[in-house]
Amino acid sequence: NAGVMQNPRHLVRRRGQEARLRCSPMKGHSHVYWYRQLPEEGLKFMVYLQKENIIDESGMPKERFSAEFPKEGPSILRIQQVVRGDSAAYFCASSPPGTLGNQPQHFGDGTRLSIL
Amino acid sequence: AQSVTQPDIHITVSEGASLELRCNYSYGATPYLFWYVQSPGQGLQLLLKYFSGDTLVQGIKGFEAEFKRSQSSFNLRKPSVHWSDAAEYFCAVGAINQAGTALIFGKGTTLSVSS
Repeated sequence: NAGVMQNPRHLVRRRGQEARLRCSPMKGHSHVYWYRQLPEEGLKFMVYLQKENIIDESGMPKERFSAEFPKEGPSILRIQQVVRGDSAAYFCASSPPGTLGNQPQHFGDGTRLSIL
Repeated sequence: AQSVTQPDIHITVSEGASLELRCNYSYGATPYLFWYVQSPGQGLQLLLKYFSGDTLVQGIKGFEAEFKRSQSSFNLRKPSVHWSDAAEYFCAVGAINQAGTALIFGKGTTLSVSS
């Protein structure tokens, strides 16, 4: 999926460590979305951000998870004190500005997080 | 509550045969509907979308989908399947709020293509 860049592609952490997942949206896109995909499941919405603002975090777990999209640089999804249940594929998507849903979201290739 | 159901977890189709993947949604207003395809280890690629207008939408790779409001369905079709179509397919509805749109996904249908 050209355009939305996620890194790392694979990330291994031990229980209790921190995981940082990065996402650079497509050029010209200022809306970023994070989704989590558990095995055998579809993608679940986590958070929607615009530059320097969290717009909707209704899908984020209440503890240990945070997200940011600074004025400069990529969006970061941060998971503190990881547990085995955090093992999943995390996808970032972006869409252009000035929209209210009628623009499709473009997805990155995801970060596969494995917790030992 | 908004939801998307893909009744078929796994479908096997012979190469050259036709394909229909089912999708039913629950949404209070006119939905924005999408089909995405995911190859193993990859992200999601948009196949097609429906926002309004003609209920039969054409997408990439020869796919089409038909929006049927009376049945709350948005089934994906292809007249002749190719081996390269083997992948996982996700139907999604755009849940619009005042801030933006979070996509609600079905659990996916895995398509296998036999020779």
